[in-house]
Amino acid sequence: DQQVKQNSPSLSVQEGRISILNCDYTNSMFDYFLWYKKYPAEGPTFLISISSIKDKNEDGRFTVFLNKSAKHLSLHIVPSQPGDSAVYFCAASGSQGNLIFGKGTKLSVKP
Amino acid sequence: DTEVTQTPKHLVMGMTNKKSLKCEQHMGHRAMYWYKQKAKKPPELMFVYSYEKLSINESVPSRFSPECPNSSLLNLHLHALQPEDSALYLCASSQEAAEYYEQYFGPGTRLTVT
Repeated sequence: DQQVKQNSPSLSVQEGRISILNCDYTNSMFDYFLWYKKYPAEGPTFLISISSIKDKNEDGRFTVFLNKSAKHLSLHIVPSQPGDSAVYFCAASGSQGNLIFGKGTKLSVKP
Repeated sequence: DTEVTQTPKHLVMGMTNKKSLKCEQHMGHRAMYWYKQKAKKPPELMFVYSYEKLSINESVPSRFSPECPNSSLLNLHLHALQPEDSALYLCASSQEAAEYYEQYFGPGTRLTVT
């Protein structure tokens, strides 16, 4: 049973517009969430994280929002750039630091 | 420096071979991880080492044998693998094996078992 879900396998956005990637989780014990970006044939790159005591965390063009009551988080990228095209994974952190990943969303940013 | 290095980048091995994957980090991290990623799937945790001791083994078959010789190095010894073990093997490290610490991943070893 999937504990972290990314229900959109792909997303296409025009350059300069906002990209919104969504993630849902089922385990209310999760307290820390992370977003990773992955290019083909490379390891995931850490983007941004959020702990459950916050509802928003911002780093440059990237903002993560957390809605604990809905068990939902989202990653906003503004403005989107062609170099942002990659697969984005949402992950929850287990108590021993083990990451539980969603299936990923492939973002395509068109020039 | 947030670099995790992995060697080799690519590995092709027969089902009777013995080989090893290597991972190294110099960030002073005390937790290291092995993940396996199949095509179009998310990474799946295999092992967690905390302070050079194995803390999580996610029911991985014994043909995969991890080793942590010191806090900077992590090995994965492979023996008698099956073709379905072909995948990208990712190593990661974090400051501690606990929540609230981001993990940094290496580029992975692409393993093909023939």
